[in-house]
Order: sequence, then structure tokens, then C-alpha cells
Amino acid sequence: DVKVTQSSRYLVKRTGEKVFLECVQDMDHENMFWYRQDPGLGLRLIYFSYDVKMKEKGDIPEGYSVSREKKERFSLILESASTNQTSMYLCASSLGIISPLHFGNGTRLTVT
Amino acid sequence: GDSVTQMEGPVTLSEEAFLTINCTYTATGYPSLFWYVQYPGEGLQLLLKATKADDKGSNKGFEATYRKETTSFHLEKGSVQVSDSAVYFCALSGGTSYGKLTFGQGTILTVHP
Repeated sequence: DVKVTQSSRYLVKRTGEKVFLECVQDMDHENMFWYRQDPGLGLRLIYFSYDVKMKEKGDIPEGYSVSREKKERFSLILESASTNQTSMYLCASSLGIISPLHFGNGTRLTVT
Repeated sequence: GDSVTQMEGPVTLSEEAFLTINCTYTATGYPSLFWYVQYPGEGLQLLLKATKADDKGSNKGFEATYRKETTSFHLEKGSVQVSDSAVYFCALSGGTSYGKLTFGQGTILTVHP
């Protein structure tokens, strides 16, 4: 079974802090994704990556950056956290274009 | 751009009732369609999928048929159980690069004994 592991289940950070969310997958998947989940809005794509050191902006990249130095690891960075970034963050990976996404359990981030 | 619209929730049913959650989409070309389910405290997991028109996806008693003429992919189950209580997301992959998905807003389902 594919396992996607997000390093933290809950995080509380202060406004202006730099925040790192880590995600690791164990199935040698090419594609990795970061979504945020908010009630009534579903999941919105922040960034994705299709190869090591490659990244593409999703629908809501503002205020975020990403890093993929190794194939199995995809990090989401909040350069200067703000209260409107309080949300559930979900990492996912997939093998190919029509392959299903495999999700981690999510990180609930609160910015105070 | 691509978009997915799900019926408004939450949906509350009694055990053994019939379930329908509506999903319609807008996309160019020929997308693949998915239903994902999120149980409390967990990430999303794939429930079923369909990759071309008239395909029927099915899993765990749930079914959905890819209807190109009505741009719909409604989720159905004949007899729900308490354990089906979860959030259900409809999604599409537009066939563009890298398989990124566009999701609907999610529908909360609560099933009472």
C-alpha cells in the first residue's frame, strides 16, 4: 500500500513565522501535490511537482513556496505565516496522469 | 477553466436509505472523473473512478456513471450504513499534465442508526 506521511498532525504558529510542512511518500511516485482544505471550498491546489527540483504553481500559490530536493519528499513553505493561512493542508502523490492520488492524513495549521 | 459542482450538504439519512450525491462538471476535452471519501480524522481515499463516457465506477456498494451528455457523475448507494458517514468529494482530472485534480466543495454525509 502506498503511504504518504505528513510530519505533523497539528501545528500552531504565530503570524510572521516561517513554517515548513513536510511530506514523504514511499512508492517512488513522480507527482506530488499540496492542497489546502477549507469548509465549503473543497480542496484547492497550492503547488505540485512532477520531478525532483521541478515545481508548478497551482490555483492559489500566493504566500507559499515548495521544495523537492528528493523524489520522495515534498515540502510546503509558508514564508511569513498569516491568519488567513489557517487551514488543513493535504499532501498527495500519484504515479501518472490518470492515476489516483494517494493522500496523507493532513496537517491542521493554526496561525495566531 | 475546469470546475466541479457538488450538491449542497450536509446530507442526513437513516440507515438503509438510498443515497444520491449530485456532481456536475465543466471541462475541456475528455476528463477522468473520481469520487473520493474522507473519513473523520483521515486523508482522502479514492472511492471509485471512470475514465470515459458511459463508464460506471463502483466500489463498496457505491456507483457512479460518467454522463457526458449531462456532464454529470452522480454518486449513488442503494442502502447506506452508519459507517458510510464521511465527507465525499467529486473530482476531475482534465487530462492535462501531471494528473492534477480539480475538486468539488465536498458533501458531508451523516447516517443515523
